[in-house]
Amino acid sequence: QQQVKQSPQSLIVQKGGIPIINCAYENTAFDYFPWYQQFPGKGPALLIAIRPDVSEKKEGRFTISFNKSAKQFSLHIMDSQPGDSATYFCAGNVGGSNYKLTFGKGTLLTVNP
Amino acid sequence: DAGVIQSPRHEVTEMGQEVTLRCKPISGHDYLFWYRQTMMRGLELLIYFNNNVPIDDSGMPEDRFSAKMPNASFSTLKIQPSEPRDSAVYFCASSLSSAFEAFFGQGTRLTVV
Repeated sequence: QQQVKQSPQSLIVQKGGIPIINCAYENTAFDYFPWYQQFPGKGPALLIAIRPDVSEKKEGRFTISFNKSAKQFSLHIMDSQPGDSATYFCAGNVGGSNYKLTFGKGTLLTVNP
Repeated sequence: DAGVIQSPRHEVTEMGQEVTLRCKPISGHDYLFWYRQTMMRGLELLIYFNNNVPIDDSGMPEDRFSAKMPNASFSTLKIQPSEPRDSAVYFCASSLSSAFEAFFGQGTRLTVV
């Protein structure tokens, strides 16, 4: 039972474009929504995270937008670069736990030069 | 610190054989997590430890899977007997506190033929 639904499955943009990755959740017990970046042959790494009491969070070129009423959140990458090509995962914390995460299926992003 | 170290990086084994995956967490980290990643199911938490004690193993798929952490610097995930559906990338991650900011190892790609 997937608790976080992520789309699209893959995404191709040109350098400088703004890819947007979307996630939706059903479990209202989630209160922390991290995003992870994974390069081929590596483990995921925390990129940016948000709590539902804010609607937006920016860290460098990465922005999370959060819509609590719609139970949706999205990742925007400004001025995307070829080095951003990776798989991105959204996640939610199961039952509000600090130790258990449920992940989306991932989005493979390709940024062409 | 060299980060989370997993071994082996790749493992190919025959169905029915015992497989042991190894993990050395980052020194000083109190939490250790084992995840499994497949195309079908994505990234799933199998079990996590706090101070070498298993806290939640509800994600372990079957009794064929077992995990131990005999000391703060070593953990194992064992599958006995292995089956082709166990083929996946297995990640170990460690953290000072929450699962959100855990550092992942490079993973062990397991293929059961």
